[in-house]
Amino acid sequence: GDSVTQMEGPVTLSEEAFLTINCTYTATGYPSLFWYVQYPGEGLQLLLKATKADDKGSNKGFEATYRKETTSFHLEKGSVQVSDSAVYFCALRNFGNEKLTFGTGTRLTIIP
Amino acid sequence: GAGVSQSPRYKVAKRGQDVALRCDPISGHVSLFWYQQALGQGPEFLTYFQNEAQLDKSGLPSDRFFAERPEGSVSTLKIQRTQQEDSAVYLCASSQGTAASYEQYFGPGTRLTVT
Repeated sequence: GDSVTQMEGPVTLSEEAFLTINCTYTATGYPSLFWYVQYPGEGLQLLLKATKADDKGSNKGFEATYRKETTSFHLEKGSVQVSDSAVYFCALRNFGNEKLTFGTGTRLTIIP
Repeated sequence: GAGVSQSPRYKVAKRGQDVALRCDPISGHVSLFWYQQALGQGPEFLTYFQNEAQLDKSGLPSDRFFAERPEGSVSTLKIQRTQQEDSAVYLCASSQGTAASYEQYFGPGTRLTVT
């Protein structure tokens, strides 16, 4: 079945550091890929998505590129801020299937 | 506009009790999803409705779990004879439709603790 493996946390970085959170997936066919974020005390919200190979999703300075050859969708940001502290979830949705399959989440803490 | 709302936000149940969790989706959203999120884990799919039709219930862990959406709007997830392993956050999400381009919007969740 479909699965998502993401970088174990927690991750602690200083403000303005470069961020990478790794995500790889296993799926038949051609899934869409997502990053969701959960800020403290809030619900899950979509951060960015990519629906086909080589697509780059971007939002709020975050980027992720859909790499079919390595089955990866790593999340990156060039300069993190304290306000980026949250839990980040990588997820996929396979063609013809409505449900999202999530990774276990990575807790990110940015210190000033 | 209003997002997805869920009630109650917190529920404590004694083992063996029945519970009912409510989800109010965004108005006009056709699709509604339930997910279960155990502590320290990602959400796991439970079931999916398109309007009032339950099209996928493959994620429901046992026949103690039952979901309904009788009028194609509000949904209720019912858990009978709760067990300690049912303790989790139950998330509801809704979307405008079923195409991959439609985003799933999540509610704040109901945290269920079974003692």
